[in-house]
Amino acid sequence: DVVLTQSPLSLPVSLGQPASISCRSSQSLVHSDGNTYLNWFHQRPGQSPRRLIYKVSNRDSGVPDRFSGSASGTDFTLKITRVEAEDVGLYYCMQGTHWPYTFGQGTNLEIK
Amino acid sequence: EMQLVGSGGGLVQPGRSLRLSCAASGFTLQDYALHWVRQVPGKGLEWVGGIFCDSGTTGYADSVKGRFIISRDSAKNSLFLQMNSLRTEDTALYFCGKDLTPGGLELWGQGTLVTVSS
Repeated sequence: DVVLTQSPLSLPVSLGQPASISCRSSQSLVHSDGNTYLNWFHQRPGQSPRRLIYKVSNRDSGVPDRFSGSASGTDFTLKITRVEAEDVGLYYCMQGTHWPYTFGQGTNLEIK
Repeated sequence: EMQLVGSGGGLVQPGRSLRLSCAASGFTLQDYALHWVRQVPGKGLEWVGGIFCDSGTTGYADSVKGRFIISRDSAKNSLFLQMNSLRTEDTALYFCGKDLTPGGLELWGQGTLVTVSS
């Protein structure tokens, strides 16, 4: 199974400051169709996860442009240019290239 | 509006069975895959298993293989998770989810809580 290793697991950030979360995969996530199905989700307490980014760098509808995703080989990054109060919660990377789907451990973003 | 609504959770004794349901509305269960994902309170997300809508092929996490069975009913537009031989470590919030595009898992239900305890 693909192992996704996120870091950091805890991320205290001041309002208006940038934030970055890393997700490292144990193997290539390039599908046979040429796509890389690496997604990022945000989960607030008591809510279902909401997808923010799909296929490495594509923002879902309604996601602010302060969120961006990128990749370098099997290393993936989620960046927030300026953290806002509504950004608190858990962030997960997830790969949908290989079955079973797997998630990173989660990163807890909190306001400093 | 596309929506998934999970139900069927509750308190069950170890060794017993429980069946979860997930009703879809606003779309039909025709394309790509459906999934069950669980989350122990305060912990991370764990993919439990999934089913391809066209072929019915299923896959399971090692932690539930041989105990859990995923099925779907096109007529009822619903997904199911039959959980047998439940263990205390199966206690979690269970989410159903749907790929609207390959590998996407875009759509999530609200979660239904399963508590396994004597």
